[in-house]
Amino acid sequence: GENVEQHPSTLSVQEGDSAVIKCTYSDSASNYFPWYKQELGKGPQLIIDIRSNVGEKKDQRIAVTLNKTAKHFSLHITETQPEDSAVYFCASGDTGFQKLVFGTGTRLLVSP
Amino acid sequence: DTGVSQNPRHKITKRGQNVTFRCDPISEHNRLYWYRQTLGQGPEFLTYFQNEAQLEKSRLLSDRFSAERPKGSFSTLEIQRTEQGDSAMYLCASSLAGDTEAFFGQGTRLTVV
Repeated sequence: GENVEQHPSTLSVQEGDSAVIKCTYSDSASNYFPWYKQELGKGPQLIIDIRSNVGEKKDQRIAVTLNKTAKHFSLHITETQPEDSAVYFCASGDTGFQKLVFGTGTRLLVSP
Repeated sequence: DTGVSQNPRHKITKRGQNVTFRCDPISEHNRLYWYRQTLGQGPEFLTYFQNEAQLEKSRLLSDRFSAERPKGSFSTLEIQRTEQGDSAMYLCASSLAGDTEAFFGQGTRLTVV
């Protein structure tokens, strides 16, 4: 079955720095790649997603890139702020969203 | 619209007891999903419904687990004869059929003692 690997498991940055989280998927049939932010005690919240017909997508300080050939996708957060501190999960699936396979998460800590 | 609602938020039960969780999706959403999340891990897919039909079940969903969505609105997840390994956060999500964005609820944290 599909497997999603996510790195790093923890990431500490200073406020204003950029943060990059990387994921690799195994199923070449996957065509939908969302990123979720999860704060303590809350459910995951979708922050950005990308489909396989697009190589990059940006939304203000957040961007996602996809390399289908290498089966890699990455989350880029610029000008990080303390409120960006949370656990971030990548996931892969299909555009019918029958199910998502999640990575193991990255704990991002942004220090003031 | 208050989003996806899950109840209870927390449940502590003794091993061997049965528990039931409820999920109320966003009202116009046809699809409803259950996931399980253990500490330090990402959510794992359990099952999903389109309207009242249960269309896919993970092999993680043992015979002790049953999910229903009788009228295509709210859903329940029941765990019979709970085991300590069932301790986890149970997450519900919903989406429009044909739309990929899924909205998650706050989850129900189950602790089996």
